[in-house]
Amino acid sequence: EPEVTQTPSHQVTQMGQEVILRCVPISNHLYFYWYRQILGQKVEFLVSFYNNEISEKSEIFDDQFSVERPDGSNFTLKIRSTKLEDSAMYFCASLGGGEQYFGPGTRLTVT
Amino acid sequence: SQKIEQNSEALNIQEGKTATLTCNYTNYSPAYLQWYRQDPGRGPVFLLLIRENEKEKRKERLKVTFDTTLKQSLFHITASQPADSATYLCAFFRGGHGSSNTGKLIFGQGTTLQVKP
Repeated sequence: EPEVTQTPSHQVTQMGQEVILRCVPISNHLYFYWYRQILGQKVEFLVSFYNNEISEKSEIFDDQFSVERPDGSNFTLKIRSTKLEDSAMYFCASLGGGEQYFGPGTRLTVT
Repeated sequence: SQKIEQNSEALNIQEGKTATLTCNYTNYSPAYLQWYRQDPGRGPVFLLLIRENEKEKRKERLKVTFDTTLKQSLFHITASQPADSATYLCAFFRGGHGSSNTGKLIFGQGTTLQVKP
């Protein structure tokens, strides 16, 4: 069964550094999402992406965040200058048949 | 703002019993609700979707109800097993405006279910 994959599974970075989280959505899906989950809290929407542009973004998704689909398969989330409060699980999802398929997540730890 | 609330207290039940989880929402009338399972350190996994015109939906040992008057969905697992132990998330899909807006899922905080053998 096709699945969404994410790399790395765990990323440790120092405050102020840039990180890029990578996702490979399911191949025939057209709508892509990033969500995050701070430990012990709700899964929160960050951004949706369709037709090579941002469709909607939340208040969390400020100028430090960007998304890109650099080729036909990858979908990336970049955080330009990480803060301690960016520490969370980041989930990529793609939409197909009315259902969002989530990847296993990247645990980002900012020290 | 739209809110979706689940019982944050863990639910502990004995194997073989029926687990019932509650999801309440306010300030929105979703066209459908979804239930997901999340294991520790993993992404949510889709279980069931129920539309506003459906009172009940079943899938194997799972049953979901949707009461638009009470603004509530109930999620039942019958004949529960220790392998059902996980956090269960309720979510509604908020559609966006315009043809290119893909919308987003708004999640509750989840209820952790522990099934004891």
